[in-house]
Amino acid sequence: AQTVTQSQPEMSVQEAETVTLSCTYDTSENNYYLFWYKQPPSRQMILVIRQEAYKQQNATENRFSVNFQKAAKSFSLKISDSQLGDTAMYFCAFMRFSGTYKYIFGTGTRLKVLA
Amino acid sequence: EADIYQTPRYLVIGTGKKITLECSQTMGHDKMYWYQQDPGMELHLIHYSYGVNSTEKGDLSSESTVSRIRTEHFPLTLESARPSHTSQYLCASSESPGLPTQYFGPGTRLLVL
Repeated sequence: AQTVTQSQPEMSVQEAETVTLSCTYDTSENNYYLFWYKQPPSRQMILVIRQEAYKQQNATENRFSVNFQKAAKSFSLKISDSQLGDTAMYFCAFMRFSGTYKYIFGTGTRLKVLA
Repeated sequence: EADIYQTPRYLVIGTGKKITLECSQTMGHDKMYWYQQDPGMELHLIHYSYGVNSTEKGDLSSESTVSRIRTEHFPLTLESARPSHTSQYLCASSESPGLPTQYFGPGTRLLVL
């Protein structure tokens, strides 16, 4: 069975600084997707960034980038130039390429950006 | 934001009442999901659907039931609410294996007294 682990329950970062959120996962699959989702306080969960396991190049979306280490089963999220609006819960998630289209979510990291 | 809607947003109800949480999406997505999430905690999948007339139980046992009679609509029903059902319920949908991004609704916060 697949598992997703986020070992940092809470983190804080000063505005304009860079922060990295950790995520590790366990799977015997070779093809899968990995995601980072953001859940701001009292607001809708939205996708931050997505990585296909077959792609060696790390995904980037503006200030957000990932460090995908397939052999180490690690998928960290780097937020550059942190903004107050980045304050949220961040969830790492895993989904297999085939079979059931179910996500496995980590326990989340609560990030607070300080002014 | 995605076109997925949930009503009501907040619900306070007494023990033993029957409730239905509504979820609808206008994106034509085949797959829809219900998650249960306690405040600030992880998401637990309780039901999912691959399409009309297809429903499956998720990883977390739940006393709720779901139906999928129309593509756009995926309601969740509790026949007899209990205080242990107090939680946030999130609905999500996704299009296909090639585009597995899930789009989430705003959630329903349920309090059972």
